[in-house]
Amino acid sequence: GAGVSQTPSNKVTEKGKYVELRCDPISGHTALYWYRQSLGQGPEFLIYFQGTGAADDSGLPNDRFFAVRPEGSVSTLKIQRTERGDSAVYLCASSLHQPTDTQYFGPGTRLTVL
Amino acid sequence: ILNVEQSPQSLHVQEGDSTNFTCSFPSSNFYALHWYRWETAKSPEALFVMTLNGDEKKKGRISATLNTKEGYSYLYIKGSQPEDSATYLCAFASGSARQLTFGSGTQLTVLP
Repeated sequence: GAGVSQTPSNKVTEKGKYVELRCDPISGHTALYWYRQSLGQGPEFLIYFQGTGAADDSGLPNDRFFAVRPEGSVSTLKIQRTERGDSAVYLCASSLHQPTDTQYFGPGTRLTVL
Repeated sequence: ILNVEQSPQSLHVQEGDSTNFTCSFPSSNFYALHWYRWETAKSPEALFVMTLNGDEKKKGRISATLNTKEGYSYLYIKGSQPEDSATYLCAFASGSARQLTFGSGTQLTVLP
């Protein structure tokens, strides 16, 4: 079956602009996660959805970052007033029910803020 | 802040060599330990989810062990092949947070 997909695969934007990153999880997975991976580091947790609601958003670095999952399937990560430090690979993952289930990752979106 | 460390940071081995690397994590409040393989330009791929002290998991030539009392896990690759070249990530889940905290990974290069 289809895995986790993310669009776009690459996004280049200018400092101060708004961006949206999309994640399509595996069908039937209730849990969805966003991570950010900077060069030389492991993925850093941002937010976890259980169904439509954000169960844990403690990893969002500041209020410029926001994510939604209105119908409990597709999720969008939104970044306002982008900064050069936001440049990273943004990974999405989904799992059947909870964070400690096997998480299946998408290929990521590489965001570059000029 | 949970500290998950992996060593070595990078490793070069010859085809056919066996190798292993380490993941260290907090020994208190353990819930689960995950291993992932991440090849360049691909999605991270789940290898193992380990939950019990003394767990040993195996998938082909790759195996892993878990010691929750001392807070470490080893990943072993027997008879390394060039296609094993990837970054191997471990991720720790605590009993309270349940979210995965990843290590920085071990980058393995298998030379033909």
